[in-house]
Amino acid sequence: GAVVSQHPSWVICKSGTSVKIECRSLDFQATTMFWYRQFPKQSLMLMATSNEGSKATYEQGVEKDKFLINHASLTLSTLTVTSAHPEDSSFYICSARESGANHPQHFGDGTRLSIL
Amino acid sequence: SQKIEQNSEALNIQEGKTATLTCNYTNYSPAYLQWYRQDPGRGPVFLLLIRENEKEKRKERLKVTFDTTLKQSLFHITASQPADSATYLCALDMRDYKLSFGAGTTVTVRA
Repeated sequence: GAVVSQHPSWVICKSGTSVKIECRSLDFQATTMFWYRQFPKQSLMLMATSNEGSKATYEQGVEKDKFLINHASLTLSTLTVTSAHPEDSSFYICSARESGANHPQHFGDGTRLSIL
Repeated sequence: SQKIEQNSEALNIQEGKTATLTCNYTNYSPAYLQWYRQDPGRGPVFLLLIRENEKEKRKERLKVTFDTTLKQSLFHITASQPADSATYLCALDMRDYKLSFGAGTTVTVRA
């Protein structure tokens, strides 16, 4: 149980392109989903918290107009990197958790984004 | 601000031995702590969660301890196998169910 699917797994695109990444909880309802970014040999850095039916909460230093988050249902959150540039190239990972205390986050397999 | 340190970046161990990883934190009192495994190019996989009022938790060959006085968690892999080779991350719960991750320890188990 507790499977999170992330799509696509790998994207290469030109500078200026907008890229959408999907995160789905397959066998549970996730009122909260999280988006992380990870650079090589570094740990996960939380970018934003996505709440179903409400606006996302962004961490300090993360541009909300650059990284658009939509959490339209209890099983789907999307992250759109708008007008991506080479410095946006990274490994983006989503996670989802079931409601209630002390539930762990379950992670997708990440999206490798390369902007040329 | 809170700080999370995992004792070493890399740990090499002989198959069959016990690997012990350390996670220390400062300036915070988490309600629980989690350990994850991450393989190259993959997302983290949840292993164990231990609450602040629990001293020890086990799952198969894995054992986690949590000392809130020392602000430390130890993660043990007993009877280690080459398939245990991966990066292990500790994560502290923050408010609003957010997690703050350590940098990870990469474990390599030699056959």
